Amino acid sequence: DAKTTQPPSMDCAEGRAANLPCNHSTISGNEYVYWYRQIHSQGPQYIIHGLKNNETNEMASLIITEDRKSSTLILPHATLRDTAVYYCIVLNDYKLSFGAGTTVTVRA
Amino acid sequence: DTAVSQTPKYLVTQMGNDKSIKCEQNLGHDTMYWYKQDSKKFLKIMFSYNNKELIINETVPNRFSPKSPDKAHLNLHINSLELGDSAVYFCASSSDWADTQYFGPGTRLTVL
Repeated sequence: DAKTTQPPSMDCAEGRAANLPCNHSTISGNEYVYWYRQIHSQGPQYIIHGLKNNETNEMASLIITEDRKSSTLILPHATLRDTAVYYCIVLNDYKLSFGAGTTVTVRA
Repeated sequence: DTAVSQTPKYLVTQMGNDKSIKCEQNLGHDTMYWYKQDSKKFLKIMFSYNNKELIINETVPNRFSPKSPDKAHLNLHINSLELGDSAVYFCASSSDWADTQYFGPGTRLTVL
């Protein structure tokens, strides 16, 4: 299984961009990178996913390196409501394997 | 409209009891899942059903039995509840096996 490595925590100032790194050096060529977040006591919320190309939606942007061994989730203008645990996951055998994630705290 | 709903939201029960958690999705998805989030906050998949057929069955005690009466529902029945079963259980659904999964709000199970 492709494993991911994320920093355990990071702080971000409200209104600034938050850049969340993720390493997935053992990823296979056809495995997607997914990002979810979990706001306290709620169900995980889908953010974005990608295979090779960079992706953008209304919530975030996903930058995947050319060798696909790492990626960065960008929240362009963080708000207090973005405080959550963010999970970077490689979809393997149709299963999402959640790690410890990165606890992001957005400060006013 | 709630896309993936679970009932009950909270469940407190005694050891040895049998309980069920219900999940319904109105997204028209073919695949549904059950996850368990323990006190250490790790989310682990337990089961997955595709078109009412079991496709993923992780190493889960056979006291746990999922039942899918139709594509929109996946219920989780737990027999002889133990203290270690205390956790938050999340249901999810996706259009197909490898598609984006959407999660329900969770059911917090407490076994006394």
